[in-house]
Formats: sequence, C-alpha cells, structure tokens
Amino acid sequence: AQSVTQLDSHVSVSEGTPVLLRCNYSSSYSPSLFWYVQHPNKGLQLLLKYTSAATLVKGINGFEAEFKKSETSFHLTKPSAHMSDAAEYFCVAGWGAQKLVFGQGTRLTINP
Amino acid sequence: GAVVSQHPSWVICKSGTSVKIECRSLDFQATTMFWYRQFPKQSLMLMATSNEGSKATYEQGVEKDKFLINHASLTLSTLTVTSAHPEDSSFYICSARANSANTGELFFGEGSRLTVL
Repeated sequence: AQSVTQLDSHVSVSEGTPVLLRCNYSSSYSPSLFWYVQHPNKGLQLLLKYTSAATLVKGINGFEAEFKKSETSFHLTKPSAHMSDAAEYFCVAGWGAQKLVFGQGTRLTINP
Repeated sequence: GAVVSQHPSWVICKSGTSVKIECRSLDFQATTMFWYRQFPKQSLMLMATSNEGSKATYEQGVEKDKFLINHASLTLSTLTVTSAHPEDSSFYICSARANSANTGELFFGEGSRLTVL
C-alpha cells in the first residue's frame, strides 16, 4: 500500500539555525509530492510541490525540498529558522488519479 | 493562489441539532472537493470526496447518514453534521483541487471548529 511517513513527530530548533523535516514515501512509482504548513486553528497552506520536474523545489518563506528517488524521500529544509515558522507541517503524496495520502505531521517548535 | 473559503469558522451547538458547514472555491471551479476531520495534534483524516452533481464518495467507517455532503455547484460543497453529539466535536477542513489531475495542488479552507455541548 502507498504510504507517507514523517519520521519525526516533533522537531525543535533554535531561531536562526537550519530546519530539517523528514518525509519518506513507500511505492514503486514516483508520486507528486507536496509540503503543507498548518498554523493553529487554520487550514493548510502549500509550501511547495514536486511534480516530476526539477528535483530541488523551492517554495515560499525560504523553504525548499529535494526529491530523491533512490531514497524515496522528500525532506523539507530551511537554512535559518524564524519564530514565525513554528507550526505543524504535513508531507502529502499523490499517485495518478488516486486520492492524496497525508503524513502524520511534524510539529516544529522554534526556540528563541 | 486560489482561495477556498469555509464558513463558519467556529460553531457551538446543542447535542441533537444539525450543523451545516460551507466550502466555497472563490476564484476557480472545483469539480471535486474533499472533506477532512482533524483531531487534536493529529493528521487530517479524509472523510469523503465530494463530486459536483453526484453523490459523495465516503471513506470506510464514515457514516454517510451522519455526515451529509452536497456539492450543488462547481464552487460550493456543504457538510451537514446531523443530530450532532459531543463526540462529533472536531476541526473540519475542506479542500478543492484546481484541476482534474492529481498533480494539481489542493487548496484548503481555513477549517471549521465544531463544539457540540
């Protein structure tokens, strides 16, 4: 079965330090991949998406992600964390006409 | 980017009453919308896929008579929680896809917090 795994339920970093949120998918076929951010009591906002073009994808707010087929990964990174980055992050995958599959989410905490 | 509006943002109701939540795509037509339920500190759980002009497709374990979904137009889908009970209290989120391919990103509403007393 196709699935998405976010390896860390909670990540805590200091302001100004790099952020790494990990995401792996399980399937023989490469999916479309998305990262969304959710602030408390809000809907989800798209950060970036991969749809079989460039493997390094740049998104909003300084985030980027690299698709690595050999590792079936799509990790999200940011060089320098901001306090405003504190939120829940979801990795989402879609295969063909099937519905999207959500990861479990990673809560990012930024320490001053 | 495209905008999906969800209303109301917050609703409190008495047990036994019904509550309707609206999801509108404001600047694009959405033949398919999705309804999710999110429990505290958990991921989104897909409840149903709403198709314009036809019956919704419900996920396994979701009561279709409890959660009525109507997709009356290309820009509006509604979720009605019938005879609500405290266990129905949750955060409900809708989303819409901007194109028919699964490669199109989903645009999410701001969510609706339902509290059943």
